[in-house]
Amino acid sequence: QKEVEQNSGPLSVPEGAIASLNCTYSDRVSQSFFWYRQYSGKSPELIMSIYSNGDKEDGRFTAQLNKASQYVSLLIRDSQPSDSATYLCAGSSGTYKYIFGTGTRLKVLA
Amino acid sequence: EAGVAQSPRYKIIEKRQSVAFWCNPISGHATLYWYQQILGQGPKLLIQFQNNGVVDDSQLPKDRFSAERLKGVDSTLKIQPAKLEDSAVYLCASSLSGGAVYNEQFFGPGTRLTVL
Repeated sequence: QKEVEQNSGPLSVPEGAIASLNCTYSDRVSQSFFWYRQYSGKSPELIMSIYSNGDKEDGRFTAQLNKASQYVSLLIRDSQPSDSATYLCAGSSGTYKYIFGTGTRLKVLA
Repeated sequence: EAGVAQSPRYKIIEKRQSVAFWCNPISGHATLYWYQQILGQGPKLLIQFQNNGVVDDSQLPKDRFSAERLKGVDSTLKIQPAKLEDSAVYLCASSLSGGAVYNEQFFGPGTRLTVL
């Protein structure tokens, strides 16, 4: 099992819909989790961080963490074409090293 | 607040040549990271510095890659000699402290390296 796994997509959603991006992780990645957005040709940009079980909301974004199921997700409400990008999930290990998934490409259709 | 600075932004070299990348982290950030991102993949950590000491370089190909952060601020990453498979984007990131759970990392614009 990869340490952090994401479906590469593309995930296509219509404008205004909720986009749901998912990430699973192994026992080696257990402490804190981060979602980054990466536009084509650009560097990753931090969107959300989450450290404890439950939901964390910031504007149109909600991160959800379920440590029992080793699952973290990102919901984007009222998706806009400008949200079209690759979303990277990262988890940190005991040495506080980030381990990234391969990313999910999101396409929001106007 | 200024972000992470990197240079050059693009570099094209022939295989077996050497190349160096420079990074200046966000002011006050003690921890600096170098990542390699190959097209279609997530960033892979090459080396992590805490101030001017190396915390993790387990995935750095030490026969050809080297990095230093002499005064605990800016850093250079060098490849010598370069191979075709080194073609990638090299990302520098920094965080306030690597030794904390809440160590949010912020990335620079990256250097796109093409090895011909």
